[in-house]
Amino acid sequence: DAGVIQSPRHEVTEMGQEVTLRCKPISGHNSLFWYRQTMMRGLELLIYFNNNVPIDDSGMPEDRFSAKMPNASFSTLKIQPSEPRDSAVYFCASSVGQLDNQPQHFGDGTRLSIL
Amino acid sequence: AQKITQTQPGMFVQEKEAVTLDCTYDTSDPSYGLFWYKQPSSGEMIFLIYQGSYDQQNATEGRYSLNFQKARKSANLVISASQLGDSAMYFCAMWVRAAGNKLTFGGGTRVLVKP
Repeated sequence: DAGVIQSPRHEVTEMGQEVTLRCKPISGHNSLFWYRQTMMRGLELLIYFNNNVPIDDSGMPEDRFSAKMPNASFSTLKIQPSEPRDSAVYFCASSVGQLDNQPQHFGDGTRLSIL
Repeated sequence: AQKITQTQPGMFVQEKEAVTLDCTYDTSDPSYGLFWYKQPSSGEMIFLIYQGSYDQQNATEGRYSLNFQKARKSANLVISASQLGDSAMYFCAMWVRAAGNKLTFGGGTRVLVKP
């Protein structure tokens, strides 16, 4: 079975540019999560969706970040304009419904470098 | 608010020996669950094991077992018969029912297995 698919795997861009990260969750999973991982702050939840609806975006750093989930099989995380402090690994994860004992399955992450 | 703590930033273990990774948590919600994830140097997050707050027995999954001590609010991961491939970062994460689908991650423990 295909896991969570993220693209691109690596992104290097200059500050001020728009960055779009993409995620395809596991088929049948109806919860989707975006995380950011840095050395300083560890793993932080940015936003999560249930049934394509954003439930909690309290972790989104600021208005430069936005996330969408237009359908059950696709989500984007957009940063506009990007800044060097946005450099991190961004993970997408998905799970089946309400968490309980259902683990979140992570994609391989997107390593983002803003110069 | 829930909190999860991993006090060991790093540790060495001899190949074929067992290792215990500490995880303590704090929540007032009676319904919660604890997950352990492995992150090898390649960066992906791999689900290892889950323990629910109402589970009567400690979780086991192959060489992984969870030493769940509810009164002490600890959920330590035990890896038996360590292998070189166990070298990785290990993260403890907690879900509480009142917070919905959100996972809160600890800071991680880096394990290096010595031949």
